[in-house]
Amino acid sequence: QSVLTQPPSASATPGQRVTISCSGSSSNIGGNTVNWYQQLPGTAPKLLIYSNNQRPSGVPDRFSGSKSGTSASLAISGLQSEDEADYYCATWDDSLNAGVFGGGTQVTVL
Amino acid sequence: EVQLVESGGRVVRPGGSLRLSCEVSGFSFDDYAMSWVRQVPGKGLEWVAGINWNGDSTGYTDSVKGRFTISRDNAKNSLYLQMNGLRAEDTALYYCARGGHIVLAAEYWGQGTLVTVSS
Repeated sequence: QSVLTQPPSASATPGQRVTISCSGSSSNIGGNTVNWYQQLPGTAPKLLIYSNNQRPSGVPDRFSGSKSGTSASLAISGLQSEDEADYYCATWDDSLNAGVFGGGTQVTVL
Repeated sequence: EVQLVESGGRVVRPGGSLRLSCEVSGFSFDDYAMSWVRQVPGKGLEWVAGINWNGDSTGYTDSVKGRFTISRDNAKNSLYLQMNGLRAEDTALYYCARGGHIVLAAEYWGQGTLVTVSS
């Protein structure tokens, strides 16, 4: 059972918007920045969003992140077929003194 | 070009030990925290351990505390994970990542090394 809770799956048609939630607590999301990763099948994770809402160089602006209280979310607008992947939220947990990942959300482009 | 190359993964018996290595290039290794993240095939990501730039701050997930030790050698641009008392549930692909200690933003990852714990 992950410390951070994500829906196991999400789907939408090409061009639509999909949003993935990540729920935590005051010891993790509530007090630390949230990061999001994309993992395509058979590849290493790729940093998609850092510091709640910042995109690394090269990440399309279709991807956006936000955080409010003890929850965060990742939005993908203008969904494309190449966005089919697993998405993970991650942050530090001050109580555990450890990093924590969400369980992951599999995004399907219908 | 930033590169992280893990090695050391293999099949090991329960209770055995293994040392994973991660050799990096393309950046100033001693400027960055580092971490190990593992993934059981077909399952999610799990943060295992992290270390700050000079090694005086480390952290571990609860399931490996007392069994695994993360360390680094800045002179050799290398990160290590000493794994003792291995269990079947430690079977996973182990990734080395730049960053991922206290701030879980890791921009660069290796391709992983597979550890299989089986009798």
